[in-house]
Amino acid sequence: TQLLEQSPQFLSIQEGENLTVYCNSSSVFSSLQWYRQEPGEGPVLLVTVVTGGEVKKLKRLTFQFGDARKDSSLHITAAQPGDTGLYLCAGGPDSWGKLQFGAGTQVVVTP
Amino acid sequence: DTEVTQTPKHLVMGMTNKKSLKCEQHMGHRAMYWYKQKAKKPPELMFVYSYEKLSINESVPSRFSPECPNSSLLNLHLHALQPEDSALYLCASSQVTGLATQTQYFGPGTRLLVL
Repeated sequence: TQLLEQSPQFLSIQEGENLTVYCNSSSVFSSLQWYRQEPGEGPVLLVTVVTGGEVKKLKRLTFQFGDARKDSSLHITAAQPGDTGLYLCAGGPDSWGKLQFGAGTQVVVTP
Repeated sequence: DTEVTQTPKHLVMGMTNKKSLKCEQHMGHRAMYWYKQKAKKPPELMFVYSYEKLSINESVPSRFSPECPNSSLLNLHLHALQPEDSALYLCASSQVTGLATQTQYFGPGTRLLVL
């Protein structure tokens, strides 16, 4: 089983601050997805990273996939209250379609 | 369009009831998934359908019965559930399984409460 360790579990910051969420594994993943989920809603896809060393930007969000495709990070610049949510990384899928989810990072951005 | 729809949004049922959850996508995806999610936890895979055939059952109790009537629809039939089955049930779809870069798109979920 490929395990994904996500950290931190919880992050509370003020509006305007920066934050970084990490997703690490001892296994290589073919691709990795980042999702954001709000309470009572389904996860919304933010990005898929596929190539080792890849960096993708989505407005104030920057996603990086490690060179060895074992780790990834999500950096948010100048966080806003609308960035509040549960951030999930998910590695894979495998040939059966199974994703390996990290435990999630609850981000709270206060005005 | 990357929309997966789920109905109902909320469901309250007794332990003797029979109900069904529905999921629909019109993206031409041939793989569909059911997940169960408890509060503040990641989704847990329940079932995978690939080309309308059940390919994975993650040892889910028989009180949960999936059905894939066609390539756009996925149902989850519920019978004799327990209070611990209360959770957010998520449907997802992807183009196919078996390719390592297939992104899964999730629906908004059905919040189920079993009394």
